[in-house]
Amino acid sequence: SYVLTQPPSVSVAPGQTARITCGGNNIGSKSVHWYQQKPGQAPVLVVYDDSDRPSGIPERFSGSNSGNTATLTISRVEAGDEADYYCQVWDSSSDHEVFGTGTKVTVL
Amino acid sequence: QVQLVESGGGVVQPGRSLRLSCAASGFTFSSYGMHWVRQAPGKGLEWVAVISYDGSNKYYADSVKGRFTISRDNSKNTLYLQMNSLRAEDTAVYYCAKDLEQQLGDAFDIWGQGTMVTVSS
Repeated sequence: SYVLTQPPSVSVAPGQTARITCGGNNIGSKSVHWYQQKPGQAPVLVVYDDSDRPSGIPERFSGSNSGNTATLTISRVEAGDEADYYCQVWDSSSDHEVFGTGTKVTVL
Repeated sequence: QVQLVESGGGVVQPGRSLRLSCAASGFTFSSYGMHWVRQAPGKGLEWVAVISYDGSNKYYADSVKGRFTISRDNSKNTLYLQMNSLRAEDTAVYYCAKDLEQQLGDAFDIWGQGTMVTVSS
């Protein structure tokens, strides 16, 4: 089965840039989606199809995808960005959706 | 207002059954694929199942295949998850989620608030 690997945690100071990676075999050939989840809340879509943003999501959230790694970048990090972040792809070989292991972003 | 509201969660003994519902409003329910996603306490997201817009295609995670059944009633704008032979490891918050567009591999743009299922004797 397809596996997506994320770092367990990322720490960043306010105003700086956070980069969250999502590793998978040839993930660059897939469309990657990213979700933000705050404690006790449902996930929220922040980036879809590698780099598109839903309406209402700040431009500070951006994504890229190439080779074996997709990346979610949060620029000018704010305290409100502190949350868990998950990547997701559709694995067509198994007809399964796959979520990454999740990354906890801590704002120092 | 686009909204998904889950119901049907609760405490159930191992081996028993439970049916979850997800009521949709604010969009054309019959035009979109729908998913169930679960999250065990303190753990990450786990995809459970998907059903196509017309119910003709269904796919399941290996962990639930043969025990869970996803279905929908487009006349009632409602998604279901029938869960049989429940196990302790099925304990989780269960979310329903809507496809962003109308094809497999779409992102999930709308999520419900979740319903808790606890499997315990």
